[in-house]
Amino acid sequence: DAKTTQPPSMDCAEGRAANLPCNHSTISGNEYVYWYRQIHSQGPQYIIHGLKNNETNEMASLIITEDRKSSTLILPHATLRDTAVYYCIVRVYAGNMLTFGGGTRLMVKP
Amino acid sequence: GAGVSQSPRYKVAKRGQDVALRCDPISGHVSLFWYQQALGQGPEFLTYFQNEAQLDKSGLPSDRFFAERPEGSVSTLKIQRTQQEDSAVYLCASSPQEGTDYGYTFGSGTRLTVV
Repeated sequence: DAKTTQPPSMDCAEGRAANLPCNHSTISGNEYVYWYRQIHSQGPQYIIHGLKNNETNEMASLIITEDRKSSTLILPHATLRDTAVYYCIVRVYAGNMLTFGGGTRLMVKP
Repeated sequence: GAGVSQSPRYKVAKRGQDVALRCDPISGHVSLFWYQQALGQGPEFLTYFQNEAQLDKSGLPSDRFFAERPEGSVSTLKIQRTQQEDSAVYLCASSPQEGTDYGYTFGSGTRLTVV
């Protein structure tokens, strides 16, 4: 699975959009981009995934660049409960294991 | 149950002691995974079951680690002769069947501290 690069930490004001970047320059044509988050003392939680089109669900939006070498997870109106570590993972669709990197620690501040 | 249940939630073991960590996956979930998460790090894959078959154990760090899922539901991760470096959170995840992505559900983990 391709490696990803994420900033180690980010801050965001409550109520504002949180934009979390991820670089995956070695992504293969059959690999999807997945996002998970881990709130303190909990297991990781699936957020969203996509191949090349932008995706949106009730939790977030995923914007993938045309060359697929990077993506951005957008939380449109961040709340204090969105404070967590966010992991960007690339892998083949429905592969088995997830390979987690260091993730981005997002701190949402009042 | 509604989610993946892991027990105990916390475990303190003396160095050299054997421990057993339990995972109750979501009913009917075929795939089950174990991960190890050291403090401040992302989870690292340990092993994978499809039903009762252990299809991948490449992430187990040593032969002191053993996992089983004899009836294809509950799984146990056993660590023999625990060492301080085994201190970590052990996460279990399950998914409905091989090949689905929406259904990866993690438990809250067991925090193991070896003293």
